[in-house]
Amino acid sequence: DQQVKQNSPSLSVQEGRISILNCDYTNSMFDYFLWYKKYPAEGPTFLISISSIKDKNEDGRFTVFLNKSAKHLSLHIVPSQPGDSAVYFCAASGNPGNQFYFGTGTSLTVIP
Amino acid sequence: DVKVTQSSRYLVKRTGEKVFLECVQDMDHENMFWYRQDPGLGLRLIYFSYDVKMKEKGDIPEGYSVSREKKERFSLILESASTNQTSMYLCASSDRELGQETQYFGPGTRLLVL
Repeated sequence: DQQVKQNSPSLSVQEGRISILNCDYTNSMFDYFLWYKKYPAEGPTFLISISSIKDKNEDGRFTVFLNKSAKHLSLHIVPSQPGDSAVYFCAASGNPGNQFYFGTGTSLTVIP
Repeated sequence: DVKVTQSSRYLVKRTGEKVFLECVQDMDHENMFWYRQDPGLGLRLIYFSYDVKMKEKGDIPEGYSVSREKKERFSLILESASTNQTSMYLCASSDRELGQETQYFGPGTRLLVL
């Protein structure tokens, strides 16, 4: 049973506009959330994270928002650039235990 | 910079062969993980390890085993490869800091089982 879901398999955005990637989770014990970016034929690279004590974390063009009551998080990329084209995975973990649960990924295409 | 390396980028094996996938990390991380990535299924955890000689099953351990004889090295073993084990295999390591952790991934091994 998928505990972390990314319901949009793909997203296309014009360069310079905002990209919004969404992620939903079912386990209320999750307290730490991450976004990873993956290019073809490479391993995922860490992008940004957020703890459940926060509702927003920002790093340059990337902002992650967490809505605990809705069990929803989103990644905003502003402005989007062609180099942002990749597959984005959200992941969640909770205590006890360190297992991470990954979503199925959203393929972002930024059109020049 | 954290570096996680995997022994092969591409492998082609025959059904029934024993397959070894090696992963090495250079950051003295306690935790190491093996995932497989398949289209539409995301990353699924096969096995993980929190210490030398320690292993825990993930979500899909069937058909796999692991070995962690040294802290920096975590091996994934396919005892008898089958075609449904054709996949991208990703190794990761992490070290819990300030109560949180970030997993760092290797480049992946794309395995084809014929």
